[in-house]
Parts: sequence; structure tokens; C-alpha cells
Amino acid sequence: GENVEQHPSTLSVQEGDSAVIKCTYSDSASNYFPWYKQELGKRPQLIIDIRSNVGEKKDQRIAVTLNKTAKHFSLHITETQPEDSAVYFCAASFTGGGNKLTFGTGTQLKVEL
Amino acid sequence: EAQVTQNPRYLITVTGKKLTVTCSQNMNHEYMSWYRQDPGLGLRQIYYSMNVEVTDKGDVPEGYKVSRKEKRNFPLILESPSPNQTSLYFCASNPGPSYSNQPQHFGDGTRLSIL
Repeated sequence: GENVEQHPSTLSVQEGDSAVIKCTYSDSASNYFPWYKQELGKRPQLIIDIRSNVGEKKDQRIAVTLNKTAKHFSLHITETQPEDSAVYFCAASFTGGGNKLTFGTGTQLKVEL
Repeated sequence: EAQVTQNPRYLITVTGKKLTVTCSQNMNHEYMSWYRQDPGLGLRQIYYSMNVEVTDKGDVPEGYKVSRKEKRNFPLILESPSPNQTSLYFCASNPGPSYSNQPQHFGDGTRLSIL
């Protein structure tokens, strides 16, 4: 089955700096890669996603890149703000099989003033 | 409002006492899933359903049962709960195969503590 590894497990940045979280996946059949943000005690919320026919996608301060050959995908947050502090999860899935999501183990991002 | 509703939100119970966590979605989604979240392990899929009366095991199905008698409901059943099932549980739904790789919609979670 699919295996998703995520690094780092914790990340501390100064307000205004950029943050990068990286994930690798094992199953070349995976073709959908969402990123979720989870605030303490709340449900995961989708912040951006990318499909395998696209190499990069951007939404304001958030961008995701995908390297299918290397099976890497990354989340980039620019101009970080205190409200970006949360746990971020990457995930991978493929069409079929119930669209099962395999999650990474999460990155605790702390944006310091 | 489109939503996935789980009940209860919190439950403290004892080993061996059967419990059911309900999940309902109002989006006419075909796919529904249950995940458990544990510190350092992320979210892991327990069971999923691709349609009414169609269910299958996820990565960590031991000790759990599910049913899908109606499209909107997907209850999670713990027949004989044990302390290692203490966790935060999320139900999620997804439109289905006609909508390639659409995001999962998550419920608000159920925190289970089994003593």
C-alpha cells in the first residue's frame, strides 16, 4: 500500500519568513495530493491540493509543488503570519479504492512574533 | 449547509461496553470513511464505503465494525472497546468515482476515551 513520509515534524519560523514542508510517497499510482491544516481540537481543513498532471499550484501565500519522477511534493507558505501556526498534513490518494487518503504524520508549524 | 455530522463529540466509557459513533452527511456523497488520529501517527483509515452495502477495510480495521444501510449514514461500531482504541475519530465523505479526486469533507471529530 501507499506510504507517505513527511518532514519536518516540527518547524519554527519568524513571522514574515517562509516555511517549507516536504513529503514523499511510495505508490506511483497516486495521483492526488491534498494538504490539510488542523488547528488544535478541530477537524482537518483542506488548504490546497494538486493533481498529478500539474507540477505546481499557487493560492495567494500558499503553493504546492509536485515532482512525480522523484515522488516528492512540498508545501510552501510565504510571508508567514501567527495564524498560520497549526499542524499541517500532506496526503496522497489515487482514483478508485474509495479515494482513500494516506496521510503523512504531520508538521507542527509555529510562527513566532 | 453542506456538512458531515458526528455524534457524540466526546465520550468516556469503560472497556467492553459496546458503543456506536454515528456519522451523517447531507451532500449525497457516495464515498464515506472513518479515520483515527493519534499523536505522531497522523490520520489512519479504519474502514471506508464506496456505496450503500459496500464497505471495505482500511489500514487499521481491527476491533471496529461499520455498516452502510443508507447513503447518508455510516456508523462506526466498537463491539468491545479496549483502551488502545482511545483516540480522536473523524468521519469523512467524498462525492465518489464520477468526481475524480475530490477533497474529503471531514466531520468535527469524536474524542473517545476508554478506561
